[in-house]
Amino acid sequence: QQQVKQSPQSLIVQKGGISIINCAYENTAFDYFPWYQQFPGKGPALLIAIRPDVSEKKEGRFTISFNKSAKQFSLHIMDSQPGDSATYFCAVNSGGSNYKLTFGKGTLLTVNP
Amino acid sequence: NAGVTQTPKFQVLKTGQSMTLQCAQDMNHEYMSWYRQDPGMGLRLIHYSVGAGITDQGEVPNGYNVSRSTTEDFPLRLLSAAPSQTSVYFCASSHDSWGGHNEQFFGPGTRLTVL
Repeated sequence: QQQVKQSPQSLIVQKGGISIINCAYENTAFDYFPWYQQFPGKGPALLIAIRPDVSEKKEGRFTISFNKSAKQFSLHIMDSQPGDSATYFCAVNSGGSNYKLTFGKGTLLTVNP
Repeated sequence: NAGVTQTPKFQVLKTGQSMTLQCAQDMNHEYMSWYRQDPGMGLRLIHYSVGAGITDQGEVPNGYNVSRSTTEDFPLRLLSAAPSQTSVYFCASSHDSWGGHNEQFFGPGTRLTVL
C-alpha cells in the first residue's frame, strides 16, 4: 500500500510560470510533511516542510498548501526558473517519528528558458 | 563540517559477492538511515538507527544488514549481492527535535551495479 501518492510524474513549465506538484496521503496520523529537492547526481535536500496545524507555509518562491480534510498537500513554485529544474519528492513521517520518512515517487520538473 | 559522507561513489559487484557501503556524519546526529533510490520508485527506507547500538528495519530490509557501534558511523552490508540490489544508495542523518522540522541530511550517494 502506497502511503503517499505524488503527481504528476513529470512536469514541464516555462520560465516565469507556476509549477504545482501534488501529494495525497491516507493515514491521518502523519503530522510532518516535507518536500525534498534533488539535482542530478546529488542527494536530496530539504526544501520546505509543514505541520498540519497550518494550511500554508511560504519560503521565498516556494509554498506548501495543506488541506487536512482532503488529506492532500502541494508544492507551488512561483516564477519558476531553469535552476529549479530538479526532481521533487514529497514525504510523510511514518510511525509518528520525524526521522522515518516515506517518500512519494518523485516529480521531474523541467523549466524551459 | 563535512556533513554526511559516503564511500565508495561507484561500485560494480558480481552476483553473490559481499560488500559494505560506508556512511559517516560529523554533526552528532542521533538518527541515521539508509535509503535506496530506483527509477520511478522514489526513495525507500532500508534500515534506520535511533542511536548507537539501536537499529531497526525499514520498508525494504531483505538482503541488507546494518550496525551502529558509534554515533558517527552507520555501514550497510550486502551479504550476497543480487542484480535486484542494483540501485543508488543514500545515507541520511538527522537530529532529534520533536515537534520541529528536523531536517534529514543526505549524503552524495553510492551507485551500485550488480552483474
